[in-house]
Amino acid sequence: GEDVEQSLFLSVREGDSSVINCTYTDSSSTYLYWYKQEPGAGLQLLTYIFSNMDMKQDQRLTVLLNKKDKHLSLRIADTQTGDSAIYFCAESGAGSYQLTFGKGTKLSVIP
Amino acid sequence: EPEVTQTPSHQVTQMGQEVILRCVPISNHLYFYWYRQILGQKVEFLVSFYNNEISEKSEIFDDQFSVERPDGSNFTLKIRSTKLEDSAMYFCASAPGTSGVGWDTGELFFGEGSRLTVL
Repeated sequence: GEDVEQSLFLSVREGDSSVINCTYTDSSSTYLYWYKQEPGAGLQLLTYIFSNMDMKQDQRLTVLLNKKDKHLSLRIADTQTGDSAIYFCAESGAGSYQLTFGKGTKLSVIP
Repeated sequence: EPEVTQTPSHQVTQMGQEVILRCVPISNHLYFYWYRQILGQKVEFLVSFYNNEISEKSEIFDDQFSVERPDGSNFTLKIRSTKLEDSAMYFCASAPGTSGVGWDTGELFFGEGSRLTVL
């Protein structure tokens, strides 16, 4: 079945850039997502990218997609302490709302 | 801003007991989901529900699980006879129909989760 893998922890200093990586196996993935989970909160959609795109930029966030290698990354520029959270990579296939998630990467921002 | 709400936030139950987790999806949404996350593991799809019936379900969603939309606003997940391995955070999510904001990106709107602890 489909699988999504991501590293579990990332620690960066405030003001630096964070890069969270993800790999997936489903070549028919249509959308790839980054969800953010703050402590005690639900999963919130941060950004998404359609599978025919290579890059998407949204303010401090840059998503890069290498479809050949099935590799997705999320770059957060000028990381702030408020960015400390768990970031989940997820994918869905065409016509399906069923998401396959990774385990989540816990981002810790050191002041 | 509309949000998905879940109750209870935390429930502790004895093994073998029945549990009902409740969710109020965003009011004009048409697709409803339950996901769960066992501590330290991935968020896993359980079931999706559309037009008053299950549209997809995973292998996890066996005969011990059922979903219901009893009154047009609530969406419930029932676990008939809980097992220790059912201990997890259960997330409800909803999504709009084709005329709603976010329908074209497949965005799911998640609740804060209900933590179930089975002793």
